[in-house]
Amino acid sequence: TQLLEQSPQFLSIQEGENLTVYCNSSSVFSSLQWYRQEPGEGPVLLVTVVTGGEVKKLKRLTFQFGDARKDSSLHITAAQPGDTGLYLCAGSSPDSGNTPLVFGKGTRLSVIA
Amino acid sequence: DAGVTQSPTHLIKTRGQHVTLRCSPISGHKSVSWYQQVLGQGPQFIFQYYEKEERGRGNFPDRFSARQFPNYSSELNVNALLLGDSALYLCASSLAGALPYNEQFFGPGTRLTVL
Repeated sequence: TQLLEQSPQFLSIQEGENLTVYCNSSSVFSSLQWYRQEPGEGPVLLVTVVTGGEVKKLKRLTFQFGDARKDSSLHITAAQPGDTGLYLCAGSSPDSGNTPLVFGKGTRLSVIA
Repeated sequence: DAGVTQSPTHLIKTRGQHVTLRCSPISGHKSVSWYQQVLGQGPQFIFQYYEKEERGRGNFPDRFSARQFPNYSSELNVNALLLGDSALYLCASSLAGALPYNEQFFGPGTRLTVL
């Protein structure tokens, strides 16, 4: 069974600070996606990383896929209150590109103005 | 373009009742997946359908069933509801087969409360 562990589980920071969220597994994934979810709403896709070592940037957010495709990180620069939410990582098995996603439990981020 | 739509938004049922949740995928997407998300957890996979056929099933009891229609919309049915079925039910659509990886787009979810 593939598992994704996210850390930290909770994070509360001041506006303007930097932070990094981690997503780790002992399994290899063919792709890994990051989502942000607001309370009572569905997850919104932020990015998909596919290649080991890949780095993608989305404004103040930087996503990295580990070389071995077993882990990923999300770094936010100069966090803003609008970044508050639940950040979820999810991976796909390398057995098939269309298998269901395995989700981590998420990191709940709170950015205080 | 419309995203994934789900109905109803909220639903309150009592134990033992049956519920049907509906989902319409993004236009052009042929795969629909269902997930259950209980409070404080990440989504858990229930079913995946592609071209009206079941392609995957998660670790859920037989009280859970689903189907996909010719227009690629989908229904999730849950029988004999239990208190533990209270959760946010999410539908996700994907191109499935058009990409070498599984990129899914989620709807807003249906919040089910079982009393």
